[in-house]
Amino acid sequence: NAGVMQNPRHLVRRRGQEARLRCSPMKGHSHVYWYRQLPEEGLKFMVYLQKENIIDESGMPKERFSAEFPKEGPSILRIQQVVRGDSAAYFCASSRRQGFSYEQYFGPGTRLTVT
Amino acid sequence: GNSVTQMEGPVTLSEEAFLTINCTYTATGYPSLFWYVQYPGEGLQLLLKATKADDKGSNKGFEATYRKETTSFHLEKGSVQVSDSAVYFCALSDISNAGKSTFGDGTTLTVKP
Repeated sequence: NAGVMQNPRHLVRRRGQEARLRCSPMKGHSHVYWYRQLPEEGLKFMVYLQKENIIDESGMPKERFSAEFPKEGPSILRIQQVVRGDSAAYFCASSRRQGFSYEQYFGPGTRLTVT
Repeated sequence: GNSVTQMEGPVTLSEEAFLTINCTYTATGYPSLFWYVQYPGEGLQLLLKATKADDKGSNKGFEATYRKETTSFHLEKGSVQVSDSAVYFCALSDISNAGKSTFGDGTTLTVKP
């Protein structure tokens, strides 16, 4: 059973360009979460999605950031008009309910560098 | 809301020393608790978990016990190795929030030979 897959692993964008980060959850998992990790910091929740629905986007910046999880295909985190402060590692996790717990499995991350 | 507070790092130990990384939490419901490990340039790997009070999670010589009375989930290992050098994150997830996780800021452990 393949783990959570993210691509690209590394992404370099100039200021003002768009960044698209992809996440394919583990087989059988219908919950996807995106987290951002700034250098030397912990992970901060951004958004939680199920197929075709955004459930909780309380951690998403109000502008330039959007996420989707279509019926077919991977989840996409989209950052428009990137700025230097968007440089970070973006991690995707997927889960399914197991009893009273949701155990999350993380992908290897996409490291975004904005020049 | 939920929050996790971890012992500040970095922590530097000699090989075979005893390790404790403190973690306390605040949660409105009945969370599950986790420790994750992150090696340089990689994603997070689940190290161990506990889903209810007094549960002990253990893996690869690491242990942590879910203490509801002190709202703690301290990570311990009796004898660390150089290969344990990594960043350790304490986290909680709340089933009422569909598993959305709250993380501590991480503790960097360096083990010297």
